[in-house]
Amino acid sequence: GAGVSQSPRYKVAKRGQDVALRCDPISGHVSLFWYQQALGQGPEFLTYFQNEAQLDKSGLPSDRFFAERPEGSVSTLKIQRTQQEDSAVYLCASSLEQALGQGYKGGYTFGSGTRLTVV
Amino acid sequence: RKEVEQDPGPFNVPEGATVAFNCTYSNSASQSFFWYRQDCRKEPKLLMSVYSSGNEDGRFTAQLNRASQYISLLIRDSKLSDSATYLCVVIPTGTASKLTFGTGTRLQVTL
Repeated sequence: GAGVSQSPRYKVAKRGQDVALRCDPISGHVSLFWYQQALGQGPEFLTYFQNEAQLDKSGLPSDRFFAERPEGSVSTLKIQRTQQEDSAVYLCASSLEQALGQGYKGGYTFGSGTRLTVV
Repeated sequence: RKEVEQDPGPFNVPEGATVAFNCTYSNSASQSFFWYRQDCRKEPKLLMSVYSSGNEDGRFTAQLNRASQYISLLIRDSKLSDSATYLCVVIPTGTASKLTFGTGTRLQVTL
């Protein structure tokens, strides 16, 4: 597709409910990131995939959060037993190149995000 | 201490003004720096990369001071359309290009 697509755009969940958020990156993009953005804050890193491999999940706040990218394209972020503090915008970003770190100047394309509200 | 710190603002400036934002980062080994722009209820979008020698893109100038570990963004001749949140972004060494964001600085340009 032309951009990174995320669905649903908005999700209201009752506390304790499980949710699944989908990210469809730009076709062929190797790297995929998930971020959580609380109101008035900058995005906070959750997890990173290079193709199907989850190379970094250090930002996942608890074992209720789980992400997968089984075929190296579409990714799903799952949150089990949602809590009110999970309310945030969940952003997905993808990049064509491998995220190599040193001197990396590549661009990341963000999706529009999923706004999750837990009531 | 947060890895990337910014003054949240808001900065309220009249059209045509020059405004500057600073950002400090804690990891001295950080090696890639960016400014992103985020409009209300929208996703962040890359505004510009920040190079050691400083760089300019039209009305926007970015500077990096490694010794003091800060990054700056200067906007000249502000336009109403510049109103947004400006996010300072750092990639610390050894983090597989994990973008680390500041909280953002909100700019409101007025008539």
